[in-house]
Amino acid sequence: DTAVSQTPKYLVTQMGNDKSIKCEQNLGHDTMYWYKQDSKKFLKIMFSYNNKELIINETVPNRFSPKSPDKAHLNLHINSLELGDSAVYFCASSPTGQGRNYGYTFGSGTRLTVV
Amino acid sequence: AQSVTQPDIHITVSEGASLELRCNYSYGATPYLFWYVQSPGQGLQLLLKYFSGDTLVQGIKGFEAEFKRSQSSFNLRKPSVHWSDAAEYFCAVTNDYKLSFGAGTTVTVRA
Repeated sequence: DTAVSQTPKYLVTQMGNDKSIKCEQNLGHDTMYWYKQDSKKFLKIMFSYNNKELIINETVPNRFSPKSPDKAHLNLHINSLELGDSAVYFCASSPTGQGRNYGYTFGSGTRLTVV
Repeated sequence: AQSVTQPDIHITVSEGASLELRCNYSYGATPYLFWYVQSPGQGLQLLLKYFSGDTLVQGIKGFEAEFKRSQSSFNLRKPSVHWSDAAEYFCAVTNDYKLSFGAGTTVTVRA
């Protein structure tokens, strides 16, 4: 069974559209994250949720809205897509507290291309 | 604020040769350090981690890393590189809230 799964794996869409990326983890972790990897492969955190509560929002445009219906799911909705949103988006999860320091598990990524 | 620096953007190594990737960290307290590998078109896989104890840590795929507090470094090594080791390697540090990555080092393996 995949520990952290993201769908879709690839997403090609036009500017101005709205799209969603889904993430699910079956590790029993309390904390989930979204990371963005740009064209230079730099990884930057976007959001972090702990038990469905937002704890990190790293100056991400309001067009990005995470939603966590339960602690096993963290979805990312993007409104009015722009060319600059093209990137690979990774979902991750980790235990809470000190367990967080023992490693994060990442999904396989969603490659978003805005045309 | 926590941060990591990977000084080498790209390293080319011959198959069978040794490999060392550099990582320097900046963190106010005891750092929790990680190395991840990203193969082309793939996600991130944890190679190894350090949070306390023995400063030489062993990981998967024959990799090891050494934590040196005096040099604020956590360098990754492999004695003999295989063609399948060609990938992007990321050093990362965490506090209780987030994992912060270095810019990555691309490793190319030549036959």
